[in-house]
Amino acid sequence: EAQVTQNPRYLITVTGKKLTVTCSQNMNHEYMSWYRQDPGLGLRQIYYSMNVEVTDKGDVPEGYKVSRKEKRNFPLILESPSPNQTSLYFCASIHEGQGDEQYFGPGTRLTVT
Amino acid sequence: AQKVTQAQTEISVVEKEDVTLDCVYETRDTTYYLFWYKQPPSGELVFLIRRNSFDEQNEISGRYSWNFQKSTSSFNFTITASQVVDSAVYFCALGGTSYGKLTFGQGTILTVHP
Repeated sequence: EAQVTQNPRYLITVTGKKLTVTCSQNMNHEYMSWYRQDPGLGLRQIYYSMNVEVTDKGDVPEGYKVSRKEKRNFPLILESPSPNQTSLYFCASIHEGQGDEQYFGPGTRLTVT
Repeated sequence: AQKVTQAQTEISVVEKEDVTLDCVYETRDTTYYLFWYKQPPSGELVFLIRRNSFDEQNEISGRYSWNFQKSTSSFNFTITASQVVDSAVYFCALGGTSYGKLTFGQGTILTVHP
């Protein structure tokens, strides 16, 4: 079954404590992406990756890092989380880079106190 | 730059009413894709439809229908005979040539009352 998994699904943490949200897909897709969802703003792209070792910034990359060492995994790293990073995060896996249906993970709800 | 506007922040209807969710987009791309997603209270994103810019045919799927009008840059979504289970946040999104990136609208919260 084609799927995108994210872990953890829920996380409450404190300011400054480094954390990683994992994302894994089993569809051998080259393109993957991270979004954050905030009320009234919809979803905004944080980072994306076109293939292994190829990543680039999206619209709101400040405070985040990513890596793509393997095709299936695309972790999102918050080196020093702050309360304004409290949000709902979605990882997406895309079959091709041009308009195909995106496969979204179930979301990770992060609270930074 | 791409932009999607969903002017209706919240809509409240009574069951069995028809409801239309508006979506207006801006893009300079000649080839692009439009999407609708549903986000129920459980939080996941549920894909509803994808339409490419060369296909202006309206689509109907059960109680759902979509009206794509390139002339007005709109891609509106109508739910006929709404049900309580339709209560969710609905997102319109625009995709083009930018490495699979989707530009989302702000979302419309639909509440269907029994």
